[in-house]
Amino acid sequence: GQQVMQIPQYQHVQEGEDFTTYCNSSTTLSNIQWYKQRPGGHPVFLIQLVKSGEVKKQKRLTFQFGEAKKNSSLHITATQTTDVGTYFCAGRPPGSARQLTFGSGTQLTVLP
Amino acid sequence: KAGVTQTPRYLIKTRGQQVTLSCSPISGHRSVSWYQQTPGQGLQFLFEYFSETQRNKGNFPGRFSGRQFSNSRSEMNVSTLELGDSALYLCASSLDAGNQPQHFGDGTRLSIL
Repeated sequence: GQQVMQIPQYQHVQEGEDFTTYCNSSTTLSNIQWYKQRPGGHPVFLIQLVKSGEVKKQKRLTFQFGEAKKNSSLHITATQTTDVGTYFCAGRPPGSARQLTFGSGTQLTVLP
Repeated sequence: KAGVTQTPRYLIKTRGQQVTLSCSPISGHRSVSWYQQTPGQGLQFLFEYFSETQRNKGNFPGRFSGRQFSNSRSEMNVSTLELGDSALYLCASSLDAGNQPQHFGDGTRLSIL
């Protein structure tokens, strides 16, 4: 079945440093979604990428979808303590009635 | 607009018992998905329902079942509980069964003694 892998599993950064998490799928995806889960909270939708090679920005966050639509990345510039949490990617293969599969997540710690 | 509501928030059960968890989606959302979250396994997909029909099912034993009602509310049931079923169970709703963002509830924390 479809597998979505995410690296790294954990990342500690000093406040102000950059951070990147990578997502790789075993199959081509129709789209990729990114979610953020704060400690003790639930996943919150951040963004969806649909097109091959698509790049989207949200303030200090930059999201990319690979040309082959099998990988994606999330880059945070100049991290802040408010960025703390676990970032998940989630992808669904093309075709109807295909389930959304979440990556294992990257837990980000930002040291002040 | 109210968010996704899950009840109960916390539940303690013993091995062998059964449990029913409830999820009320955002008004107008017709798709509901369930996930099991544990520290070591991340978010594991359980089921996806749309218009009272199960569209997808994850790799969980038959002890895990679910359903969706005509008002889009959903329940999941776990029978013959095992210690390994201890987890946070998250429900997420979306407008339809396509590539829509998922809106999660706060989850039900299930502990098995």
